Amino acid sequence: DTAVSQTPKYLVTQMGNDKSIKCEQNLGHDTMYWYKQDSKKFLKIMFSYNNKELIINETVPNRFSPKSPDKAHLNLHINSLELGDSAVYFCASSPWTGSGNTIYFGEGSWLTVV
Amino acid sequence: AQRVTQPEKLLSVFKGAPVELKCNYSYSGSPELFWYVQYSRQRLQLLLRHISRESIKGFTADLNKGETSFHLKKPFAQEEDSAMYYCALGAGSYQLTFGKGTKLSVIP
Repeated sequence: DTAVSQTPKYLVTQMGNDKSIKCEQNLGHDTMYWYKQDSKKFLKIMFSYNNKELIINETVPNRFSPKSPDKAHLNLHINSLELGDSAVYFCASSPWTGSGNTIYFGEGSWLTVV
Repeated sequence: AQRVTQPEKLLSVFKGAPVELKCNYSYSGSPELFWYVQYSRQRLQLLLRHISRESIKGFTADLNKGETSFHLKKPFAQEEDSAMYYCALGAGSYQLTFGKGTKLSVIP
């Protein structure tokens, strides 16, 4: 299947822990993203990478660190998890950077911090 | 700065009734507009984009630059249309700006 896949799908962890969410796309896209969907279903971009280069870094705590080992992968590492980090995190990709671009989303990773 | 407003958080309609999900945008340039849909616990997926002027699953949306709107419409709602709908604006920047979403609930 050609898709954007992310793991794990569900993650329950305690405050203070460090966790990672992995994302891979086999669509041959140059650009990858991380979006956060909060409890009110509001979707907001966190990061964007183009060919492994960071191009968007919205106002996100520096506890969140994206890593792109190659253009097909964009992992999200979160240090010292807080209750407010509980959300659904969506990885996404698009053929290139810029408007007018269709973005393809992964299924989401449900993170619950207790 | 660009902004997308979806004024309704929740919209409930009866099966077979017409549906209109409202979307207004704020952008001074030439916008690219999209509707994304998220079915229960599934991935977000593109429903349609204004450039294509297509109809997907019976939904259409027309860009009205005068009213800065891109409302999503369907003449007859189906139960399987129940989902979260996001309007999104691509405005010459690197990413899409999403509205806060409207939850559509179709009542059998």
